[in-house]
This record gives sequence, C-alpha cells and structure tokens, in this order.
Amino acid sequence: AQSVTQPDIHITVSEGASLELRCNYSYGATPYLFWYVQSPGQGLQLLLKYFSGDTLVQGIKGFEAEFKRSQSSFNLRKPSVHWSDAAEYFCAVGSLSGNTPLVFGKGTRLSVIA
Amino acid sequence: DTAVSQTPKYLVTQMGNDKSIKCEQNLGHDTMYWYKQDSKKFLKIMFSYNNKELIINETVPNRFSPKSPDKAHLNLHINSLELGDSAVYFCASSQFGTGSEQYFGPGTRLTVT
Repeated sequence: AQSVTQPDIHITVSEGASLELRCNYSYGATPYLFWYVQSPGQGLQLLLKYFSGDTLVQGIKGFEAEFKRSQSSFNLRKPSVHWSDAAEYFCAVGSLSGNTPLVFGKGTRLSVIA
Repeated sequence: DTAVSQTPKYLVTQMGNDKSIKCEQNLGHDTMYWYKQDSKKFLKIMFSYNNKELIINETVPNRFSPKSPDKAHLNLHINSLELGDSAVYFCASSQFGTGSEQYFGPGTRLTVT
C-alpha cells in the first residue's frame, strides 16, 4: 500500500532563509508525486508535481522539489522564504493505475518569523 | 472564474439535522472527490465519482450519501448529523484518474452543535 511520511509536524524559519520540507513515500512502482499548500482558511493549491523525466521539478511561488528514488524522497525547497509562505504543506503520492486514490501525508506547518 | 466551487462555505447546525453541501467544477474533468479534513489537518478521502459513477467509497458511515447529477457536479448529503462530523469538507476534481493531480475547492467548514 502507498504511504507518505512528512517527518516534521511544524517548522519555523526566518524570512529570507532557505527552506526544505521533507517527504518520504512508500510505493511499489514509479510514483506520481505532488506538493500542495494550504493557506489558513483556504483549499489546497497544487505547488508542483513529478511524473517522470527530470528529477528536479519547478513549481509555482519559487518552490522546487527533487525526486530521489534511492531515498524514496521528494523534498520541497525554496531558497528564500517570504512571510506569505506561512501555511500547511502536504506531500501526496498517486498512481494512474486502477482507482487508487491519492495518499496524503499529515502535513507540515510552516511558520515564518521576521 | 472559480475552477472548483463549493456551497456553503460555512455550515452550523444541530445534532440530528440533515444537511447538504454542493460542489461544481468548470474544468471539464471526469473525476470528482469528497475529502474530510479533521482538526489536525489530516485529509481523508471519502468518495470519488467518475462520469457520475461511484468508483471510490471509503469506510464512511452510510449517513453520508454522495450524488452526482452530471460529471460537473458532486453533492454530499449528510443525515442525522453527529458531533464527530464537524470538520472541513473539500471537493476536488481531476482529469486523468484518481491518482493524478487534483484541484480543490475552498472547503466547507461544518460545525455540529
């Protein structure tokens, strides 16, 4: 069965500092991987996705993520965090075979301090 | 234009009542979903429809009944509401099947008193 682990429940970074959010997945085949962001009181917005090809994917709002098959990881990065990045971040894994639903991690809450 | 919309945004009701939440997507997607997000932000899929056909039905009390009148709409009806039903309910849609990228609505915050 697919599973996603986000080891960090809450991370606090200073504005302008770099950010890395961790995501580890468990899946038997090549996974489809996603990062979503949820601002307070809002729905989930897709930041980026990985299906195949280049393992470093660029997303919206200056985010990027790197797929590392050997480590079963898909970590999200941003070189310089802005106060508006404070939100909940979810990693998800999916498959296009069958009717298997996306599996979401439990989320990482990002706080940004001045 | 809003891609996935839900109504209402907030719903406050008493135990035992019946309520509905409506969802519409204008993305032309074939698959729609209902998720429940609890107070710890954990997202749990409840149902998925593909072209009006139920394809995912997770372990959800049968007080919850989804209805899809057409592939652009997926409504959720909840009978005999309980305190534990209080949560945020999200509708979502996708084009390429249940494991592909999904687009979420803004959510409906349901509070049962």
